[in-house]
Amino acid sequence: GENVEQHPSTLSVQEGDSAVIKCTYSDSASNYFPWYKQELGKGPQLIIDIRSNVGEKKDQRIAVTLNKTAKHFSLHITETQPEDSAVYFCAASITSYGKLTFGQGTILTVHP
Amino acid sequence: DAGVIQSPRHEVTEMGQEVTLRCKPISGHNSLFWYRQTMMRGLELLIYFNNNVPIDDSGMPEDRFSAKMPNASFSTLKIQPSEPRDSAVYFCASSRGDEQYFGPGTRLTVT
Repeated sequence: GENVEQHPSTLSVQEGDSAVIKCTYSDSASNYFPWYKQELGKGPQLIIDIRSNVGEKKDQRIAVTLNKTAKHFSLHITETQPEDSAVYFCAASITSYGKLTFGQGTILTVHP
Repeated sequence: DAGVIQSPRHEVTEMGQEVTLRCKPISGHNSLFWYRQTMMRGLELLIYFNNNVPIDDSGMPEDRFSAKMPNASFSTLKIQPSEPRDSAVYFCASSRGDEQYFGPGTRLTVT
């Protein structure tokens, strides 16, 4: 089955800096890669996703890149703010199959 | 839209008791997922339904766990009998396509 590895497990940055979280996946058939943000006491919230026919996608301060050859994808947050502090999860799945495999999570702390 | 609704939000029970967690998916979504989250194992998919039919239950830990989806707007996850190692946060998520939307979760503590 699919295996998703996520790094780093913790990330601490100063407000205004950029943050990058990286994930690798094992199943070359995976073609859908979402990112979730989970705040304390809440469920994961979908923040951005990318499909395998696209190499990069951007939404305001958040961007995701995908390298299908190397089987890795990354989340980039620019101009970080304290409210970006949360746990971030990457995931991978095969479209139409529905089953998401999650990475282990990254605890992001943005210091004011 | 109200989003995915889960109840109860917190459940504390004694070992050996039956526990039932409930989920109402987003209206119009045809897939429903049950996840378990722990510090040790992260987010694990337990089972998912498509059009009310169980598609993959390979993540269900053992026979003590069962899930049903009697209609498009309701699902239950039952643990009988419960054990301390079942303590975790259980999430329900629903989707109409690729994007899965999570509920707020049920924090289960088994003493």
